[in-house]
Amino acid sequence: GIQVEQSPPDLILQEGANSTLRCNFSDSVNNLQWFHQNPWGQLINLFYIPSGTKQNGRLSATTVATERYSLLYISSSQTTDSGVYFCAVEPYNTDKLIFGTGTRLQVFP
Amino acid sequence: ETGVTQSPTHLIKTRGQQVTLRCSSQSGHNTVSWYQQALGQGPQFIFQYYREEENGRGNFPPRFSGLQFPNYSSELNVNALELDDSALYLCASSPSGLQGFGELFFGEGSRLTVL
Repeated sequence: GIQVEQSPPDLILQEGANSTLRCNFSDSVNNLQWFHQNPWGQLINLFYIPSGTKQNGRLSATTVATERYSLLYISSSQTTDSGVYFCAVEPYNTDKLIFGTGTRLQVFP
Repeated sequence: ETGVTQSPTHLIKTRGQQVTLRCSSQSGHNTVSWYQQALGQGPQFIFQYYREEENGRGNFPPRFSGLQFPNYSSELNVNALELDDSALYLCASSPSGLQGFGELFFGEGSRLTVL
């Protein structure tokens, strides 16, 4: 089956720093989404981005489907950005959603 | 507009028992999917329901079953509970149909402990 790997697995930042999270997938996909799981376990949808680039405030995402990767950019990080970031993909010709391995982000003041 | 709500938030069961978890989808959403998240792991897709029928299933045994009701709310049933079933169970709704997974909106989850 498809492999979805995220890097780095852990990231520690000081408030105000920028970061880039990466999601690599091993096969073609119908769509890709990015989520933030806060320390209380709530999963928040950040981007629905099968291809191209989107921006929402300090966050932006780019998916290059032909090269099988997606990037999530966080600028001017804040302590509230802490948590785990997941990408999730729907492989072609399946009715399944596969989550990546996650990146745990800690932002310190 | 109400978001996705799940109940109960926490529950404790013993091995061999059965459990039912409930989910109310976000207003206007007709598709519901369920996920299991063990401690320290990413969510694992269990199944998706659209128009009261299962529309996609992950690698879970038949003792994991579900229902979707005409108002698009859903239940997850797990029979013959095992210790490894201890996890956070997440429900998500989306405004999509047979064209795959749309943008997902998650509830806060039901945390199940099996003793």
